Amino acid sequence: QVQLHESGPGLVKPSGTLSLTCTISSGSIRSSNWWSWVRQPRGKGLEWIGEVHPGGSTNYNPSLKSRVSISVDESKNQFSLMLTSVTAADTAVYYCARDSPMLNWGQGTLVTVSS
Amino acid sequence: DIQMTQSPSTLSASAGDRVTITCRASQSVSIWLAWYQQKPGRAPKLLIYKASSLESGVPSRFSGTGSATEFTLTISSLQPDDFATYYCQQYNSFPWTFGQGTKVDIK
Repeated sequence: QVQLHESGPGLVKPSGTLSLTCTISSGSIRSSNWWSWVRQPRGKGLEWIGEVHPGGSTNYNPSLKSRVSISVDESKNQFSLMLTSVTAADTAVYYCARDSPMLNWGQGTLVTVSS
Repeated sequence: DIQMTQSPSTLSASAGDRVTITCRASQSVSIWLAWYQQKPGRAPKLLIYKASSLESGVPSRFSGTGSATEFTLTISSLQPDDFATYYCQQYNSFPWTFGQGTKVDIK
């Protein structure tokens, strides 16, 4: 069973850049066509951020497209999220996930935007 | 964007009850509809994909029906482990979008 694990800073300053990495274990990043990021503000619903193909192609949510970048590092079996110009509204639990629909999920990591 | 609307937002039920959650799409998503279960502090878990296909390992008391704009998730006999929040998600058109969730709690 593919396992995913998110890592990165839990606190980001307003106007800064949020950077997270998802490490895939018990499987290869080439085992699936698409790898996604999804976020969930506390007590609220799920928002799809975007996805990356192992070859590097991406699809993004237009609501975040101007600020988001998702990339893949096959050599490390990882994919990453960068979100620029963050505000308090970007405070959420961030999940990485495999496939569409999302079959496997990481445990999630809380990112707080605060000075 | 395709808007996904779930009803009800909260559902109070007892163990053994038959429970039905509805998800409506603002435009057709064909059969590209998934259902997830989420418990507090945990990641969502895929239950149903392609509207009615049961994910491996998911109990058969869960079932999904529907197509185009109207879908249902049914739990035939609610078990204690099923008290959770359920989300639908369309993956027909970008951006993928989720319903707002339906919380199933103890009556």
